[in-house]
Amino acid sequence: DTAVSQTPKYLVTQMGNDKSIKCEQNLGHDTMYWYKQDSKKFLKIMFSYNNKELIINETVPNRFSPKSPDKAHLNLHINSLELGDSAVYFCASSQAGGAGREQFFGPGTRLTVL
Amino acid sequence: GESVGLHLPTLSVQEGDNSIINCAYSNSASDYFIWYKQESGKGPQFIIDIRSNMDKRQGQRVTVLLNKTVKHLSLQIAATQPGDSAVYFCAENEGSYIPTFGRGTSLIVHP
Repeated sequence: DTAVSQTPKYLVTQMGNDKSIKCEQNLGHDTMYWYKQDSKKFLKIMFSYNNKELIINETVPNRFSPKSPDKAHLNLHINSLELGDSAVYFCASSQAGGAGREQFFGPGTRLTVL
Repeated sequence: GESVGLHLPTLSVQEGDNSIINCAYSNSASDYFIWYKQESGKGPQFIIDIRSNMDKRQGQRVTVLLNKTVKHLSLQIAATQPGDSAVYFCAENEGSYIPTFGRGTSLIVHP
């Protein structure tokens, strides 16, 4: 079973469109994250979310918004897509505190904005 | 702000050699460190971690060393194999569950 899954794997769209990326984890973790990885492989945290709080990286444009229908899902909505949004987006999850705080990453969604 | 960085963006080694990937961190309050491996087309995957009350931890073919005095972290891979070719990230946590990732080092293993 896939621990952290994302859909779609690839997403190609036009500038100005609105799109969503879905993420699900079956690990029972309390905390989920979204990362953006640029062409130089730099991983930038976008959001961290658990049942109690949403922590937003202040550099993330408000066109990006996380939606969590339940503890196992954290979807990423992007409005008015721009060329600079092209990147690979990773969802991840972890336990909040505890003995290990390593993150489990999904396979990534490659977003291409034309 | 605090940052986590890597000394070498690319490391090339011969198969069978030992590899050492370095990471410098600047937040002296960090208490938990992790190394991740990211293979092409995949998400980062946990390799090994170490807490600030330790200076060495060993796994299967991998060893992480932590030098808090100079705020330096390293990942040693013994008998490097072609399957070890990937981008390696160090990450540090300061009490919270939001890590700071370094820029990554690309390890290339030549047969």
